[in-house]
Amino acid sequence: QKEVEQNSGPLSVPEGAIASLNCTYSDRGSQSFFWYRQYSGKSPELIMSIYSNGDKEDGRFTAQLNKASQYVSLLIRDSQPSDSATYLCAVNLYTGGFKTIFGAGTRLFVKA
Amino acid sequence: DTEVTQTPKHLVMGMTNKKSLKCEQHMGHRAMYWYKQKAKKPPELMFVYSYEKLSINESVPSRFSPECPNSSLLNLHLHALQPEDSALYLCASSQDTGTIGYTFGSGTRLTVV
Repeated sequence: QKEVEQNSGPLSVPEGAIASLNCTYSDRGSQSFFWYRQYSGKSPELIMSIYSNGDKEDGRFTAQLNKASQYVSLLIRDSQPSDSATYLCAVNLYTGGFKTIFGAGTRLFVKA
Repeated sequence: DTEVTQTPKHLVMGMTNKKSLKCEQHMGHRAMYWYKQKAKKPPELMFVYSYEKLSINESVPSRFSPECPNSSLLNLHLHALQPEDSALYLCASSQDTGTIGYTFGSGTRLTVV
């Protein structure tokens, strides 16, 4: 089982819709959870971090964490074509030292 | 503008060449990282320099060697690379050991011919 799993997509949504991106992780000791956005050929950019169960909202983005189900998600409201990118889920856990594991990413296409 | 500066942005090198990738951060972060990313794959951790200690991913070949002249600089020396080493090399920094997320540099696109 991969440590951090994401559906590779592509996920295609129309402009203005809600995009829902999902991520599961295997290590219950995971402590910090992140979503990065990566445009093609560019480096990842941190867009959301979440540390406790529940929802965290920042503008059009909402991160949701459920540690019991080992599940973290990202909702993008009012999706725009400029949101088209690969979204990487990352989990930080302690294994004698802190370690960040990235998922393979979900490609999102927002159709105008 | 990114606060983690990587140079060069693009590099083409032969298998017998020696080159270096440079990374500098201006945020006072205590940890810096080198990641390798192949197309459509997640970033893979190569090296961590944190609190004046270097940690190495043991799967990384010795043809890659990191150097940390000070807490703001983390270089990656390349020697006798193989074509399969062609990838996007990403430098990142974080306030601590990643518990609050990374700031990535713009990356170096490396092609080994």
